[in-house]
Amino acid sequence: NAGVTQTPKFQVLKTGQSMTLQCAQDMNHEYMSWYRQDPGMGLRLIHYSVGAGITDQGEVPNGYNVSRSTTEDFPLRLLSAAPSQTSVYFCASRRAGVLEEQYFGPGTRLTVT
Amino acid sequence: RKEVEQDPGPFNVPEGATVAFNCTYSNSASQSFFWYRQDCRKEPKLLMSVYSSGNEDGRFTAQLNRASQYISLLIRDSKLSDSATYLCVAIANFGNEKLTFGTGTRLTIIP
Repeated sequence: NAGVTQTPKFQVLKTGQSMTLQCAQDMNHEYMSWYRQDPGMGLRLIHYSVGAGITDQGEVPNGYNVSRSTTEDFPLRLLSAAPSQTSVYFCASRRAGVLEEQYFGPGTRLTVT
Repeated sequence: RKEVEQDPGPFNVPEGATVAFNCTYSNSASQSFFWYRQDCRKEPKLLMSVYSSGNEDGRFTAQLNRASQYISLLIRDSKLSDSATYLCVAIANFGNEKLTFGTGTRLTIIP
């Protein structure tokens, strides 16, 4: 089991560029989420999905899109990168209803200049 | 006011000491609580769940006080390897089970 994988590990973008952060899990988890972590702000939920074809907004969704075409993959798209999106992004997955077993990926460190 | 608040620290504690920190939550509908541990530049990992009756796992004890809306984490006989950031998490279980994280408390154990 690879668990939750994220690519890339590091990325530098220029303002206005777009990109997709990849997230995959091999545990057949229904629930997947994207968080961003900023100093002094903690982990904030961007978008989440309770299953293939179902997504919903979290606390800070503006500037990001997601889709969930398969159970395994949950990519996060930055439409037009802004310096305010400089952050560490974590993807997480768990079984629906099993709150104790949330697994995080290793994170993507994104810098927007 | 943030939904889940923690003292950011840092807490600098000598090895072998006992350390405790609290986390307050504002949503009275919150029903499930957890402590996560996050090492520097790593992903968060579940440390322990917090039950109404309290929860003990080795040197770690977690407590819930619903009346005052806070959870606590006590670490006894602290080890150098306990140095990390500790995140508390609250969940209001009304359908979407979204986890709300505190900003974390940074703990450094000093030799």
